Amino acid sequence: NAGVTQTPKFQVLKTGQSMTLQCAQDMNHNSMYWYRQDPGMGLRLIYYSASEGTTDKGEVPNGYNVSRLNKREFSLRLESAAPSQTSVYFCASSETGNTIYFGEGSWLTVV
Amino acid sequence: GIQVEQSPPDLILQEGANSTLRCNFSDSVNNLQWFHQNPWGQLINLFYIPSGTKQNGRLSATTVATERYSLLYISSSQTTDSGVYFCAVEGSGGSNYKLTFGKGTLLTVNP
Repeated sequence: NAGVTQTPKFQVLKTGQSMTLQCAQDMNHNSMYWYRQDPGMGLRLIYYSASEGTTDKGEVPNGYNVSRLNKREFSLRLESAAPSQTSVYFCASSETGNTIYFGEGSWLTVV
Repeated sequence: GIQVEQSPPDLILQEGANSTLRCNFSDSVNNLQWFHQNPWGQLINLFYIPSGTKQNGRLSATTVATERYSLLYISSSQTTDSGVYFCAVEGSGGSNYKLTFGKGTLLTVNP
């Protein structure tokens, strides 16, 4: 049982480049999330999807877009990367209002 | 939005010692979870505990929702307990499905 799988694990981008972080879960959860983690800041919600076909902004959505491709997959896109987006990104999923499960994280550096 | 404060921010223990981590939150909650982030960055869910008390081995947690706090107890600590412990809550009066994280408690257990 893989749980939540996100790719890539590490990525270095140049300022202005675009990229997509992929996330898939095999637990048949309705809700999926993207968080970013910065030193001393805890985890902050970027976007979430309460169910297939719906997405909504979290605390720090600027500079990001998301797609809930189907019930399993939730991708995060950086259209024009900036150094301020250097962070560790975590995808997560849960059954509504229940225990949340995280992927292993994606380390992104924007130079 | 709901505010989450964790204390202490840092804690250093000798192996075998006991500890209590605290999480205060500013409003009523539907959902409260405790997580452990190990030194490799992996986030593991410890407890889903919006109210009451739960135990899992050497760890236990208590949430007093009416007083707006939760406690995580670690007994007979081991070096593998080292890492950051996060409390996360979902406010009952606001948006659904969105967990707000505290900034964490960094626990170091020395052999």
